[in-house]
Amino acid sequence: QQQVKQSPQSLIVQKGGISIINCAYENTAFDYFPWYQQFPGKGPALLIAIRPDVSEKKEGRFTISFNKSAKQFSLHIMDSQPGDSATYFCAPGNTDKLIFGTGTRLQVFP
Amino acid sequence: DTEVTQTPKHLVMGMTNKKSLKCEQHMGHRAMYWYKQKAKKPPELMFVYSYEKLSINESVPSRFSPECPNSSLLNLHLHALQPEDSALYLCASSQGLQVGGSDTQYFGPGTRLTVL
Repeated sequence: QQQVKQSPQSLIVQKGGISIINCAYENTAFDYFPWYQQFPGKGPALLIAIRPDVSEKKEGRFTISFNKSAKQFSLHIMDSQPGDSATYFCAPGNTDKLIFGTGTRLQVFP
Repeated sequence: DTEVTQTPKHLVMGMTNKKSLKCEQHMGHRAMYWYKQKAKKPPELMFVYSYEKLSINESVPSRFSPECPNSSLLNLHLHALQPEDSALYLCASSQGLQVGGSDTQYFGPGTRLTVL
């Protein structure tokens, strides 16, 4: 019930391309669906998050798409930049607890 | 200001030492968290304090002892650790909503702990 599967494990994208990372969960009680970005040696930072009452949210180059019936949500990074190179975690949760996915290491090459 | 501070940045300790990690936030948040993160792995929740009371303990060994002296401070006391406890220890805080739903957790930069 608590399992969170994230894919792909790693992703290499050329500058200007689109990066897509997927997250699948099992617990239907989750009510908060964030993506965190983590640079080496730093703590995770919230990138974008969505609640289950909407299917899509866009903030600048970052978009979350949410499919409640499929229990999946994804992160789209448009016009990917070398500065986006980092590890991305989905972390769906409820109340005080987030369940982190396994992480996706994104590398954007110029 | 969404800053969570953690001290020290790095800590090296022997298996017989006693040390403490400190975390501080001044955002008025009422929930605070300790996570452990091994290299190339996701953060793993250890403890949650909600309104200064321990609300979640993820079956963490007793050699890790959390303490929440007030709503701004969170400590993690370490004693008789093992080399496999070497990791990045992350503190986070959130508003601590009590009426349903989850809110954003803000993470500190972490303390890199090495146990010799």
